[in-house]
Amino acid sequence: DTGVSQDPRHKITKRGQNVTFRCDPISEHNRLYWYRQTLGQGPEFLTYFQNEAQLEKSRLLSDRFSAERPKGSFSTLEIQRTEQGDSAMYLCASSSTGGSNQPQHFGDGTRLSIL
Amino acid sequence: KNEVEQSPQNLTAQEGEFITINCSYSVGISALHWLQQHPGGGIVSLFMLSSGKKKHGRLIATINIQEKHSSLHITASHPRDSAVYICAAMIKAAGNKLTFGGGTRVLVKP
Repeated sequence: DTGVSQDPRHKITKRGQNVTFRCDPISEHNRLYWYRQTLGQGPEFLTYFQNEAQLEKSRLLSDRFSAERPKGSFSTLEIQRTEQGDSAMYLCASSSTGGSNQPQHFGDGTRLSIL
Repeated sequence: KNEVEQSPQNLTAQEGEFITINCSYSVGISALHWLQQHPGGGIVSLFMLSSGKKKHGRLIATINIQEKHSSLHITASHPRDSAVYICAAMIKAAGNKLTFGGGTRVLVKP
């Protein structure tokens, strides 16, 4: 169990650029979640996958955001035409569905700064 | 009104003091997480509980389902306990996605 891995840890980019983040969940976990956390706030739900299916998207996920999990393993979160308001920590978590109430395991996050 | 509310927002304690953080929620949950976040952002799950009480070392978490309230206690606090503590409700029938409180920033002074 190598834990949830996120890449990159930090990303600094200019407004208007596209960025893509990657999350590698714990290998046997079939659920994968993306959350966003702005400075001084608790995280907020963005979207989640069960295997390769994206089952729910938050209203926070505007048209500029897209998430994929093509083979039900790693996931990518892309932000197009970044805006200053996109500056945040993007957190990924994974869990299994075996049994009830499986805990979520978090990655260290990707901190995005928009100049 | 947020679905998950935490108090206090900030807490300063002297080393050795007993610390309590409170969490109230207004939605139906299947379980509640207590999470710890250190500077730099990494989140560690401390507890997940759906009833009663759990203890791990100097940390104790309790939940009262009827009152929709949970508490995290830190006994004999230490400067290394300084972190942000976040409660997160696992929402029933919503893929177990988490709805988070705003966090409690704890500073333990030596």
